[in-house]
Amino acid sequence: EIVLTQSPATLSLSPGERATLSCRASQSVSSNLAWYQQNPGQAPRLLIYDASTRATGIPARFSGSGSGTDYTLTISSLEPEDFAVYYCQQRRNWPLTFGGGTKVEI
Amino acid sequence: EVHLLESGGGLVQPGGSLRLSCAASGFTFSNYAMGWVRQAPGKVLEWVSGINGDGRDTKYADSVKGRFTISRDDSRSTLYLQMNSLRVEDTARYYCARRLLGPSASYFDNWGQGTLVTVSS
Repeated sequence: EIVLTQSPATLSLSPGERATLSCRASQSVSSNLAWYQQNPGQAPRLLIYDASTRATGIPARFSGSGSGTDYTLTISSLEPEDFAVYYCQQRRNWPLTFGGGTKVEI
Repeated sequence: EVHLLESGGGLVQPGGSLRLSCAASGFTFSNYAMGWVRQAPGKVLEWVSGINGDGRDTKYADSVKGRFTISRDDSRSTLYLQMNSLRVEDTARYYCARRLLGPSASYFDNWGQGTLVTVSS
């Protein structure tokens, strides 16, 4: 099973600042990685897939990058609605696995 | 608009069974692979099971293999999860999720609001 480790666990920032979130895989996932956002009490929302492709309707301030075992989600300028928990997910191998999450807080 | 509505959750004793349903609307259900993802209270997401568009290919997390069965009824646009031999550690909110079409089909682009399963004596 591929283990995904996200860091940091918590990121404390202000609106307008840049957020950089990391996801490291226990083995290469060959860009088969997605990022989701989850607000309290809500279902996750797909932001990025295949490491760098924005999902439908996702604002351009969200971008993804990386290769091999190391991936990054960048939010260029935080909006109030971006303060949430973010998860990465790999589809390189079954079972599909998720990371432990990064909470972006004010 | 895509809509996924889960039902069937509740309180059950260890060793008991539940069947979750997910009613889909707003898209051609039979064209899409689907899946179940769960989240224990305050915990992270855990993929549980998946099924392809024609229902012939199913996959399970090791933690539920042999106890849970995923199925679909395309005539009703409904996804199911039969859960048997439930354990306390199965307590979670269970989300139904649609998988992306095409080569990126193991990511989830639409999610329901989930149904809560509590396993407790």
